[in-house]
Amino acid sequence: KAGVTQTPRYLIKTRGQQVTLSCSPISGHRSVSWYQQTPGQGLQFLFEYFSETQRNKGNFPGRFSGRQFSNSRSEMNVSTLELGDSALYLCASSFGTGYEQYFGPGTRLTVT
Amino acid sequence: AQTVTQSQPEMSVQEAETVTLSCTYDTSENNYYLFWYKQPPSRQMILVIRQEAYKQQNATENRFSVNFQKAAKSFSLKISDSQLGDTAMYFCAFMRLLKGAQKLVFGQGTRLTINP
Repeated sequence: KAGVTQTPRYLIKTRGQQVTLSCSPISGHRSVSWYQQTPGQGLQFLFEYFSETQRNKGNFPGRFSGRQFSNSRSEMNVSTLELGDSALYLCASSFGTGYEQYFGPGTRLTVT
Repeated sequence: AQTVTQSQPEMSVQEAETVTLSCTYDTSENNYYLFWYKQPPSRQMILVIRQEAYKQQNATENRFSVNFQKAAKSFSLKISDSQLGDTAMYFCAFMRLLKGAQKLVFGQGTRLTINP
């Protein structure tokens, strides 16, 4: 069974630009969660989607948004990039509440 | 709000030794899950072990086992017969057992190095 895939793996953007990251969950998984990992703040929850609906949202500004498609694939968008948005963005999928989350390899975003 | 604390930023042991990583958490919930994830240098986050709070029996997965003390809100990970491939960052994580609460709260991590 294929694992969680994330594209692109690496990305370099300039301040003020916007970026879209993609996540394809494990087949059959309907929940997709996004996390930001930085050396200073550690791993922080961004949001979670289940059956195309956002169920949970972390404490991030409105510049961070996401969506989920009918095939459970999810995208995360960050507008008006800031230097502090440089991070590893991890996507995780699961069957739903109470099930383990399986992580993708991450997208390394660098904002210059 | 839930918090997870890992008090050991770094640990180092010799191959084949046993090592225990500590984790404490704070919550007012009674039903929840606890996890240990490892993140090797490749940065891929891998699930190591999971514990349901309503289960008294400690979870075990091959060389990995936990010591879950619910009253003390402690959840330590023991790695037996450590191997070079166990070198990684280890994260303790908490998740509420609530419909729709699919959010992991992570500790700051423990960097474990297994020396040959």
